[in-house]
Amino acid sequence: AQKITQTQPGMFVQEKEAVTLDCTYDTSDQSYGLFWYKQPSSGEMIFLIYQGSYDEQNATEGRYSLNFQKARKSANLVISASQLGDSAMYFCAMREPTEGSARQLTFGSGTQLTVLP
Amino acid sequence: DAGVIQSPRHEVTEMGQEVTLRCKPISGHNSLFWYRQTMMRGLELLIYFNNNVPIDDSGMPEDRFSAKMPNASFSTLKIQPSEPRDSAVYFCASRSGAGANVLTFGAGSRLTVL
Repeated sequence: AQKITQTQPGMFVQEKEAVTLDCTYDTSDQSYGLFWYKQPSSGEMIFLIYQGSYDEQNATEGRYSLNFQKARKSANLVISASQLGDSAMYFCAMREPTEGSARQLTFGSGTQLTVLP
Repeated sequence: DAGVIQSPRHEVTEMGQEVTLRCKPISGHNSLFWYRQTMMRGLELLIYFNNNVPIDDSGMPEDRFSAKMPNASFSTLKIQPSEPRDSAVYFCASRSGAGANVLTFGAGSRLTVL
């Protein structure tokens, strides 16, 4: 079963506008973490923002914020004041507890964001 | 810090050849992960190590794939023999212990098997 679902294969946004990238997740654990990564055309994976399941406040990092709705199991990424350099693939990921001390990340299929001038 | 360093960045080889991908994690990080990214399957975890010990290799596609971590600063992912369907971008990522969450990825190794 899909654990991380990103329903928007592609999104367009006008420069300087805000955009929301959707992410829903599925877990039966109470303790988990949610991440967003950015992958520009150059290929590297860049960490953007993290939200722990017990965090009561929505995470924010500069122009990035995570709209965490636990009951709905959603963790949408909001990018404010979009810039041309924000054009990239964006991945939502979840960490769940696993046996032992190591914890894995499971990634969604990604959303390709294009910022229009 | 130089970040996670992967080599080679690009590799083109012929079917049947052995391929070795290399990774140097961030100094002090004690967990290391190998991921594969393809258009069809997205990002898949192949294997991860904790303190140089393989914890879970259930994501390794088949016996042609093997990974080692002989010390805390070096890991290899080997494919022997390689096949065209192995063409992908292979990422190495590392994470510090003690409750840390964020994986830091290398730039990836793009493998093309002809």
